[in-house]
Amino acid sequence: KNQVEQSPQSLIILEGKNCTLQCNYTVSPFSNLRWYKQDTGRGPVSLTIMTFSENTKSNGRYTATLDADTKQSSLHITASQLSDSASYICVVSVHKLSFGAGTTVTVRA
Amino acid sequence: ETGVTQTPRHLVMGMTNKKSLKCEQHLGHNAMYWYKQSAKKPLELMFVYNFKEQTENNSVPSRFSPECPNSSHLFLHLHTLQPEDSALYLCASSQELGTGGDEQFFGPGTRLTVL
Repeated sequence: KNQVEQSPQSLIILEGKNCTLQCNYTVSPFSNLRWYKQDTGRGPVSLTIMTFSENTKSNGRYTATLDADTKQSSLHITASQLSDSASYICVVSVHKLSFGAGTTVTVRA
Repeated sequence: ETGVTQTPRHLVMGMTNKKSLKCEQHLGHNAMYWYKQSAKKPLELMFVYNFKEQTENNSVPSRFSPECPNSSHLFLHLHTLQPEDSALYLCASSQELGTGGDEQFFGPGTRLTVL
C-alpha cells in the first residue's frame, strides 16, 4: 500500500469556483510535505512546502494545510482559473520522497 | 537554457531498438534522478546519482542503463524494452542528496512508447 494516498483521483470544476484536494499519509514524522503542480507535457513544479510543525502555507490562490494528528494535508484552490488545469501531487519527505498518485483537476469555462 | 532539460520529448521505439534519453541541468546541482511516471500511479524512483556516482538503483531491470558523465548530464540507455515500459520518464536534480529536504527540480520528461 502506498504511503501517500490522494483523493479524488480527478475532478472537474467551473472557472471561478473553489476546490479542495486531499492527501492522506502514513509516513510520520517527516522532514517536509510538498504539493507539486504538473501541467500536461511538463514536469512537476513545487507549489508549497510545509514542515512537520507547520499548519498552513499559501502561494497566491493555493493554500495548503497540514494536520499532523490526522495525518492529512489538503490543497485549496481559490477562484480557479483555466490555467489551474493540471495534476497536483502530494509528496512526503523522510529519508526519501514518497509520492501520491496525484489528482487531475480540469477547470472549465 | 535554464532549469532541467530533457531530449527527446517524445520517443517511439520497437522492442529490439536501442535508444538513449538525455537530461541536462543548468542549476549547478549535485544530485540527479531518473523517475518513471505511469498513468494514475505515483512517480517511481529509478536511479539516483550524487556527484556523478550512482547511489541508488531501485531494482530497475537491466534493460535500463543509466550513465552520468558529470554532475550536469544524465543519460538513460534503453535496449530490448517491453510495451509495459511505455511511460513518461522524468529527470530531476537537487542541490544536495540528503533527507529529501532539498527541492527537486524536474525536467519536462520524455514520453516513451514501446511498440
